[in-house]
Amino acid sequence: ETGVTQTPRHLVMGMTNKKSLKCEQHLGHNAMYWYKQSAKKPLELMFVYNFKEQTENNSVPSRFSPECPNSSHLFLHLHTLQPEDSALYLCASSLELHNEQFFGPGTRLTVL
Amino acid sequence: AQSVTQLDSQVPVFEEAPVELRCNYSSSVSVYLFWYVQYPNQGLQLLLKYLSGSTLVESINGFEAEFNKSQTSFHLRKPSVHISDTAEYFCAVTPVGGRRALTFGSGTRLQVQP
Repeated sequence: ETGVTQTPRHLVMGMTNKKSLKCEQHLGHNAMYWYKQSAKKPLELMFVYNFKEQTENNSVPSRFSPECPNSSHLFLHLHTLQPEDSALYLCASSLELHNEQFFGPGTRLTVL
Repeated sequence: AQSVTQLDSQVPVFEEAPVELRCNYSSSVSVYLFWYVQYPNQGLQLLLKYLSGSTLVESINGFEAEFNKSQTSFHLRKPSVHISDTAEYFCAVTPVGGRRALTFGSGTRLQVQP
């Protein structure tokens, strides 16, 4: 039990669908992150939130839309995705930005 | 800015043999260093970390890493690996006192063979 949960664990969607990924942390952390992990590629940092404010957006396409309503919850809204967006999406949290990160189990996304 | 290099994308090794996974970093300031492990179909888990003090740090499952400032390295070692150590290993760095998220290396796949 890592203290960071992600739902759903698996998601299959068509290119015209709209779906959302959810991440919740029960660790009292102030920073939360979204990563994309594709096969045979390095871990890609997508978004960083610190005290609910977005501090990093690493040139992520607008079809990915993050939302952080409070320090415990992080969402990733998906719309009109492409097959190349199929990947494992990992959420993480840390007490402060420079502290060790705790990861959730990930959502395996398949875009048809 | 910081960067991390893990030169070996895959390391095959036989069970009970020793292993070293290499990690080199680049930074103009002092850093904190981390090793994470990812088992199949799971998220990353912290294996060990160097913040300050002794340059040799150990994990509960027999791994150790040594911070070498002159060589800007933080190599991960285990004297005798098990099949269950098969996983992806990531090195990460962040500047001391900086308000920056961790920078991860590209990962090394450790494949332990019987």
